[in-house]
Amino acid sequence: DAGITQSPRHKVTETGTPVTLRCHQTENHRYMYWYRQDPGHGLRLIHYSYGVKDTDKGEVSDGYSVSRSKTEDFLLTLESATSSQTSVYFCAISEEGSLEKLFFGSGTQLSVL
Amino acid sequence: GESVGLHLPTLSVQEGDNSIINCAYSNSASDYFIWYKQESGKGPQFIIDIRSNMDKRQGQRVTVLLNKTVKHLSLQIAATQPGDSAVYFCAESRGDYKLSFGAGTTVTVRA
Repeated sequence: DAGITQSPRHKVTETGTPVTLRCHQTENHRYMYWYRQDPGHGLRLIHYSYGVKDTDKGEVSDGYSVSRSKTEDFLLTLESATSSQTSVYFCAISEEGSLEKLFFGSGTQLSVL
Repeated sequence: GESVGLHLPTLSVQEGDNSIINCAYSNSASDYFIWYKQESGKGPQFIIDIRSNMDKRQGQRVTVLLNKTVKHLSLQIAATQPGDSAVYFCAESRGDYKLSFGAGTTVTVRA
């Protein structure tokens, strides 16, 4: 998947616990994104990054934070997980000049019990 | 509500037939559209894109048609194969680099 690794691939956690998902890319692309995928909703943008330490909110950012300390890593944190955050999370990257053409990772299945 | 949607959530196609997957959008300002394919257990994969100044674009066995008058987008797959079984998403860009995705159409190819 275009040099994108997401970890973990699966996680089960309890309500109220913090969770961090990691996205690692080897493509040296400047732009990175976190999406969530839920039945009937397609993919919805949570947060995105346009460079190291440069991040911004997407359409469903409440309850999530991100960090990007290196070009290759983009972390998504659920500070206090809720059942509504049970979802499949996808990281994506894109390059300058073709920002809308996203390359996705294989996803992380997160279950919050 | 969502501005990008697909007409049908599922589509069953006989192997060898042509498939047509439809998508409607509501934002006249959208200027770029993309189709993605998602196979089971994988992330979405880029198939083909089209800009709003075009009506048609062809790729390998796929064609995207854009009708701006009725805000309609379609993906045609020629000679559908078992490997085409997947969920197909249309997405639109509204002038920035944040895409808005439709809910997806699940295509099942019958042998």
